[in-house]
Amino acid sequence: EAGVTQSPRYAVLQEGQAVSFWCDPISGHDTLYWYQQPRDQGPQLLVYFRDEAVIDNSQLPSDRFSAVRPKGTNSTLKIQSAKQGDTATYLCASSTGTANERLFFGHGTKLSVL
Amino acid sequence: GEQVEQLPSILRVQEGSSASINCSYEDSASNYFPWYKQEPGENPKLIIDIRSNMERKQIQELIVLLDKKAKRFSLHITDTQPGDSAMYFCAATGANTGKLTFGHGTILRVHP
Repeated sequence: EAGVTQSPRYAVLQEGQAVSFWCDPISGHDTLYWYQQPRDQGPQLLVYFRDEAVIDNSQLPSDRFSAVRPKGTNSTLKIQSAKQGDTATYLCASSTGTANERLFFGHGTKLSVL
Repeated sequence: GEQVEQLPSILRVQEGSSASINCSYEDSASNYFPWYKQEPGENPKLIIDIRSNMERKQIQELIVLLDKKAKRFSLHITDTQPGDSAMYFCAATGANTGKLTFGHGTILRVHP
């Protein structure tokens, strides 16, 4: 079974540049999560979807971050104008969506903002 | 929202000894408590989990305990090996939100 696929694996930007991260969840998983993991810290939820609908984006900095999952499968997370504080690994995870189900994580995109 | 506290942040043990990591949560409605292991450059991987209808669960050398009254849960690794060295995260899922909240992590170093 294929796992959660993310691309790119690495991104290096100057402040003010834009970047997009792409995630392909496990087939059949209707719930998709984006987490931000700063170095040596725990993952922090940014946004999650059930099918194409946003369930919770309360921790997503809406002025610069956006996330979509238009067909309820793949998802894109975009940072419009990156800041040094955005330096982190961005992890995508998926699950079957019923309460208390295991999350499967992708390998993440490691972002460095110079 | 849910808050999860995790201690210690760094844990150094001798090979063959036990290691314990403790977490606490705030939302009494939380009902699912997974533990993830993350090695450098890798994604977090689930190693064991416990649901609120249990107090103890063991998978080989891993033991998790859950005290719902105190809102605490813990991971115990018996007979640690160098391969157990990694970052470990506890997490809790709110029953009402379905949202998984992670602790800040524990770096475990097992010395030969």
